[in-house]
Amino acid sequence: QVQLQESGPGLVKPSQTLSVTCTVAGGSIRNGAYYWTWIRQHPGKGLEWIGHIHYSGRTYYNPSLKSRLTVSIDTSQNHFSLRLTSVTPADTAIYYCARGFWGSFYAAFDYWGQGTLVPVSS
Amino acid sequence: SSELTQDPAVSVALGQTVRITCQGDSLRNYYPSWYQQKPGQAPVLVIYDKNYRPSGIPDRFSASRSGTTASLTITGAQAEDEADYYCSARDSATNHFVFGTGTRVTV
Repeated sequence: QVQLQESGPGLVKPSQTLSVTCTVAGGSIRNGAYYWTWIRQHPGKGLEWIGHIHYSGRTYYNPSLKSRLTVSIDTSQNHFSLRLTSVTPADTAIYYCARGFWGSFYAAFDYWGQGTLVPVSS
Repeated sequence: SSELTQDPAVSVALGQTVRITCQGDSLRNYYPSWYQQKPGQAPVLVIYDKNYRPSGIPDRFSASRSGTTASLTITGAQAEDEADYYCSARDSATNHFVFGTGTRVTV
């Protein structure tokens, strides 16, 4: 059974960098069938795709976050990470990691972490 | 447009059928996936591709698509189905994703 677990910083101050890591257990992050994904949810709001990475290192980012965002992967540690710079209170959200897969006409996220709340506040 | 629009809320009587819709241009040639999210929990995948349910998802959940509108149907809704539901689709040209606005289902 695949399990994903986020580890986050707790509180982050405005203008600082938010970093969250997702550790994958029960499966290899080097499996080329999957894309390792970050999704966030502002308090009381809907889901927002942040970006994802393939084990090859190929990344895809939400255009609205691209200038501040880096997603990286460490296959030796079986984890991947999110780094968001110059945060503001608008970045306060629950950050989820998830495993994505897709075919020609569909895509889905079948395993999710439990999420980590990252408040941005001074 | 890559936006996906859902009705904010629907209600259904116990044991009855409810349909949740998701509308967007990207659905014309793409099957969305559907997620159930209960308060304080991570989303759970309930349907993907044309109408596939992951292991453990009851067969009262089903999906369909017509044109730019996709639907998730719960046939014989149970109290435990009360949750927020989101659709999601991938833009095959950019490999970017979008989530629907979400529908709160009250049973």
